[in-house]
Amino acid sequence: EVQLVQSGAEVKKPGESLKISCKGSGYSFTSYWIGWVRQMPGKGLEWMGIIYPGDSDTRYSPSFQGQVTISADKSISTAYLQWSSLKASDTAMYYCARPEAGYWGQGTLVTVSS
Amino acid sequence: DIQMTQSPSSLSASVGDRVTITCRASQGISNYLAWFQQKPGKAPKSLIYAASSLQSGVPSKFSGSGSGTDFTLTISSLQPEDFATYYCQQYNSYPGTFGQGTKLEIK
Repeated sequence: EVQLVQSGAEVKKPGESLKISCKGSGYSFTSYWIGWVRQMPGKGLEWMGIIYPGDSDTRYSPSFQGQVTISADKSISTAYLQWSSLKASDTAMYYCARPEAGYWGQGTLVTVSS
Repeated sequence: DIQMTQSPSSLSASVGDRVTITCRASQGISNYLAWFQQKPGKAPKSLIYAASSLQSGVPSKFSGSGSGTDFTLTISSLQPEDFATYYCQQYNSYPGTFGQGTKLEIK
């Protein structure tokens, strides 16, 4: 059974750094693209970016280029989403997902507040 | 970037009705189109992939059609559990883009 299991909720202050994770299982992690989707409170879904763990090819949506970093560690079948300096506007639910097959993680709620 | 325009943005219907949601891509995406259902506080659930293929376990009341730039999701015989927000998503060009969503409400 394919599963994407995300790390737990985070509460951070503006300016802090953060790295959240998504562990894939039940499939060949290096053979499929895996990406991150943002959902701000009460809003729709937005693709942030995506990575191919097999060769680390990474693509970002224009709105998120330079704002976050997506990476993957194929030795532990885990994808990451990272911020170097959080803002209050980064408060949202973040999902990892495989776009071609419709597999989603359970979501990680990130709250940024002073 | 490929833009996805979904309509309507909201829809009121009654139990037992049949409804259709449309999604238009700004350029051709072949059949690389998926549909998702999302209920409040839950992760999106995949309904349709490759424009018209039903995900395993999804009831046949959900159907998708289209190719190129124009796509539809049809839900027949609405039940209370079907009232939710629906999104289309293209995955022809990564990282992909979503439509803005259609909120299906009980009339």
